[in-house]
Amino acid sequence: DADVTQTPRNRITKTGKRIMLECSQTKGHDRMYWYRQDPGLGLRLIYYSFDVKDINKGEISDGYSVSRQAQAKFSLSLESAIPNQTALYFCATSDPGGPNEQFFGPGTRLTVL
Amino acid sequence: KNEVEQSPQNLTAQEGEFITINCSYSVGISALHWLQQHPGGGIVSLFMLSSGKKKHGRLIATINIQEKHSSLHITASHPRDSAVYICAVARNEKLTFGTGTRLTIIP
Repeated sequence: DADVTQTPRNRITKTGKRIMLECSQTKGHDRMYWYRQDPGLGLRLIYYSFDVKDINKGEISDGYSVSRQAQAKFSLSLESAIPNQTALYFCATSDPGGPNEQFFGPGTRLTVL
Repeated sequence: KNEVEQSPQNLTAQEGEFITINCSYSVGISALHWLQQHPGGGIVSLFMLSSGKKKHGRLIATINIQEKHSSLHITASHPRDSAVYICAVARNEKLTFGTGTRLTIIP
């Protein structure tokens, strides 16, 4: 079984809808991240969490919110989706300390019409 | 100017060729990562470097901290090496990513 899973893998939705992307991990890592990837751009950090009680904004958090329900679960919400949020979204995990090797989920392809 | 620059953006080569992908960065870092993204989208970590050189099979990664530069080499390239290769630098407990190099190996 995959160590980092994301659901759904693909989602098409309409402008204005609320969407939740979920991430679960079995690696026992404290740190979890949400990124988006757009063509021609590098992965960009949306939100990150270093433990269950810690939530931090990344470089592009506007229009997004997150919830860290447990060590193993980190959800990303789009409260009112807009077309420029169409992208590939990745969840990742890492152990605290060290050189920050991150383990990525398979990605969620989100299309907002 | 991006903190992490990769070159080339696209690279097409014949099977068997020696491949070099470059990464330059402009900030102090604790480590540099090379990642591989397959056509299906999945991302895997290839190397973490803070100094010197690492080798894994046909892949070699080097870093020059003074020059703020890293290279990823692939020897005896194979079509299955076709992927996007991403450089990322670790700083303040977060990663900053380059835009990636799309590598295509033709049989």
